[in-house]
Amino acid sequence: DVKVTQSSRYLVKRTGEKVFLECVQDMDHENMFWYRQDPGLGLRLIYFSYDVKMKEKGDIPEGYSVSREKKERFSLILESASTNQTSMYLCASSTGLAGGPLQETQYFGPGTRLLVL
Amino acid sequence: AQSVTQLDSQVPVFEEAPVELRCNYSSSVSVYLFWYVQYPNQGLQLLLKYLSGSTLVKGINGFEAEFNKSQTSFHLRKPSVHISDTAEYFCAVGKYNTDKLIFGTGTRLQVFP
Repeated sequence: DVKVTQSSRYLVKRTGEKVFLECVQDMDHENMFWYRQDPGLGLRLIYFSYDVKMKEKGDIPEGYSVSREKKERFSLILESASTNQTSMYLCASSTGLAGGPLQETQYFGPGTRLLVL
Repeated sequence: AQSVTQLDSQVPVFEEAPVELRCNYSSSVSVYLFWYVQYPNQGLQLLLKYLSGSTLVKGINGFEAEFNKSQTSFHLRKPSVHISDTAEYFCAVGKYNTDKLIFGTGTRLQVFP
């Protein structure tokens, strides 16, 4: 089974702190994604990556950055956390073999619920 | 711009009753369509997807969906639900030659005994 793990299930941070959310997948997937999930807004894509050291902006990249130094690990960074970044953050991965990421199943981690005070 | 509409934010239903969760999308080009489910305190997992071919798609746990191009819909159905189907369901759309899935706002299915 594909396994996508996220470093924390719950996280509480203060405004202005630098926050790292880690995601690891164990299936040698090429593609990795970071979403945030908010009630009434569904999932919104923050960043995605097709390969090591490659990244693409999603729909809401402002206030976030990402790092992919190894194929299995994709980190989301909040440079200076703000209260409007309180949310559930979901990481996902897909194989990268189906001719395009949109044709593939995305495998999701359990999520990190971040509270910024 | 491409969008996905899930008209019902919540759908309450009794166990063993049929259910339909509605999804409409707006796109002038061909699309890929997905339904994902999120059980409490878990990430999302794929229920089914339509890429091409037969418009009736069967997924896991007895769910199926029908792609209707003329009505730009991809409604999810199950003939008889179980308590364990209580979850949030997300419809998602991907447009050819783009890189991103667009997710709907979700429908919370609550199954009562």
